[in-house]
Amino acid sequence: QVHLVEYGGGLVKPGGSLRLSCTASGFNFGDSHMSWIRLAPGKGLELVSYTSPSGYNIYYADSVRGRFTISRDNAKNSLFLQMDSLGVEDAAIYYCARGGFWDGWGLDIWGQGSQVTVSS
Amino acid sequence: SFEVTQPPSVSVSPGETASIACSGSGLRDSFVCWYQHKPGLSPLQLIYQNTKRPSGIPERFSGSTSGDTATLTINGTQAFDEADYYCQTYDTRTHVIFGGGTKLSVL
Repeated sequence: QVHLVEYGGGLVKPGGSLRLSCTASGFNFGDSHMSWIRLAPGKGLELVSYTSPSGYNIYYADSVRGRFTISRDNAKNSLFLQMDSLGVEDAAIYYCARGGFWDGWGLDIWGQGSQVTVSS
Repeated sequence: SFEVTQPPSVSVSPGETASIACSGSGLRDSFVCWYQHKPGLSPLQLIYQNTKRPSGIPERFSGSTSGDTATLTINGTQAFDEADYYCQTYDTRTHVIFGGGTKLSVL
């Protein structure tokens, strides 16, 4: 079975940092485009960041560029999101998902979501 | 910037057909996907490449496109179909963008 399992959410003060991890199983992670998507309270889904299979092509939403860093370790089937300078507007459920390339396949596998709370 | 618009809410009676529209300039030149999201669960892909269903998605979910509008159709809507539905496409820089979501109520 294909799975994405996320770790690392939690409560952080404004200006703080968190690192999310996502471990894949059941598919060829090293050949997969991967994305981080978030869902903030009262808002809709938002693409946060995307990485190509090699990690060479990377994209960030304007709202997080310069503060968040996406990375991957294909040998460990793992995707990461380093989140720095967190603000209350970053509070959301963060999902890792397979896909994000513009081939129309969309995001076909999603993790269970990690809750990120930003509060003093 | 490229924007994709969905109605905030749609209501339907049990057994009827629900249609959720997604519009935006450029949709005619891009692929559209649809997702269902229920509270406490992960989003579920219903449609990819405009009209295709992933394995395990019932045939009563279908997608179509016409010009700059894509439509998700749910035939024989049931109470357990109550959820938020999102369309997703790609902006001019080929990055994923989502519509604002539509809350489906089955009354």
